[in-house]
Amino acid sequence: GENVEQHPSTLSVQEGDSAVIKCTYSDSASNYFPWYKQELGKRPQLIIDIRSNVGEKKDQRIAVTLNKTAKHFSLHITETQPEDSAVYFCAATSYNTDKLIFGTGTRLQVFP
Amino acid sequence: AAGVIQSPRHLIKEKRETATLKCYPIPRHDTVYWYQQGPGQDPQFLISFYEKMQSDKGSIPDRFSAQQFSDYHSELNMSSLELGDSALYFCASSLRTGGSDTQYFGPGTRLTVL
Repeated sequence: GENVEQHPSTLSVQEGDSAVIKCTYSDSASNYFPWYKQELGKRPQLIIDIRSNVGEKKDQRIAVTLNKTAKHFSLHITETQPEDSAVYFCAATSYNTDKLIFGTGTRLQVFP
Repeated sequence: AAGVIQSPRHLIKEKRETATLKCYPIPRHDTVYWYQQGPGQDPQFLISFYEKMQSDKGSIPDRFSAQQFSDYHSELNMSSLELGDSALYFCASSLRTGGSDTQYFGPGTRLTVL
């Protein structure tokens, strides 16, 4: 079945630096790749998503890139702020299923 | 904007008891999804409903059942509770008829089984 690998598991950066989180998926039928931010005990909150017909998408300080050939997608956060500290999950799904397959999460800490 | 509503937010049960979790999707959303998230884990898909019919099924135990009602709210029924069922249970909704598979999550129900 579909598997999503996510790296790194933890990431510490200084405020103002950039952060990059990488994911790899296994199912070539995957066509939708959302990213969620989750604070402790709270809901996963959608921050950006990308579909397989697009290679890159940007929303202010957040960008996502997709390489379908390599089955890689990445989250880029620029000018990080302490409030960016949270666990970030990548996910993947395809046209023939409802389930989001999540990566194992990256705990991002942004130090002032 | 209105979001997904879940109730109760916290629930404490004894082993072998029954629990019912409720989910009210974003207005006009037609698809509901249930996920289970253990401590330090990623969310795991349980089951989904589209237009009141089961749409997809994941790793949902036979002790659990769910349904979607005519007003599109959904309930997850959990019987013979086990200690390992302690987790956060999230409901998400989407507007599939509108061509969107973007899932928006509710605040979750924290279930503790003692």
